[in-house]
Amino acid sequence: DTAVSQTPKYLVTQMGNDKSIKCEQNLGHDTMYWYKQDSKKFLKIMFSYNNKELIINETVPNRFSPKSPDKAHLNLHINSLELGDSAVYFCASSQVGRNTEAFFGQGTRLTVV
Amino acid sequence: TQLLEQSPQFLSIQEGENLTVYCNSSSVFSSLQWYRQEPGEGPVLLVTVVTGGEVKKLKRLTFQFGDARKDSSLHITAAQPGDTGLYLCATIQGAQKLVFGQGTRLTINP
Repeated sequence: DTAVSQTPKYLVTQMGNDKSIKCEQNLGHDTMYWYKQDSKKFLKIMFSYNNKELIINETVPNRFSPKSPDKAHLNLHINSLELGDSAVYFCASSQVGRNTEAFFGQGTRLTVV
Repeated sequence: TQLLEQSPQFLSIQEGENLTVYCNSSSVFSSLQWYRQEPGEGPVLLVTVVTGGEVKKLKRLTFQFGDARKDSSLHITAAQPGDTGLYLCATIQGAQKLVFGQGTRLTINP
């Protein structure tokens, strides 16, 4: 069983569209994250949720809206997609502790054309 | 300004050579993690170092945490093509914010 799974793996869409990426973890972790990895491979945190509550929102445009229906799921909805949104988006989960280890999904490669 | 500065950004060497990559900061950390990311995959944790001066070994990989807990290094002995990947250091900032360095892209040529 995949520990952290996100869908879809690839997403190609036109500018102005709205799209969602889904993420599920079966590790029983209490914290989930969304990261954006740009073309230079820099992994930047976007959001963090702990037990369905938003903990971190890193100056992300409000076109990005995360939703956590329960602590095993964290979805990312993006409105009015722009060319600059093209990137690989990673979902991750962890259990809060002194040495928080993050488990990552395989990523969603979003291409806005 | 990056919290974690990794160097070098790119490294390409021949199979069998040794190499060291670095993760530096001006801040003191309670712990530091190293991840490896292969193409098309998410990062995977290699090790967590916690104590200043700590050394951990994972087969041919040796991780060291600086005495002052501000820096770390990863040394690979006799590199193999399977070691190719993006190596990322990361630390916890605040309560639950896991932040990463820019990474070192390592290529081992057969």
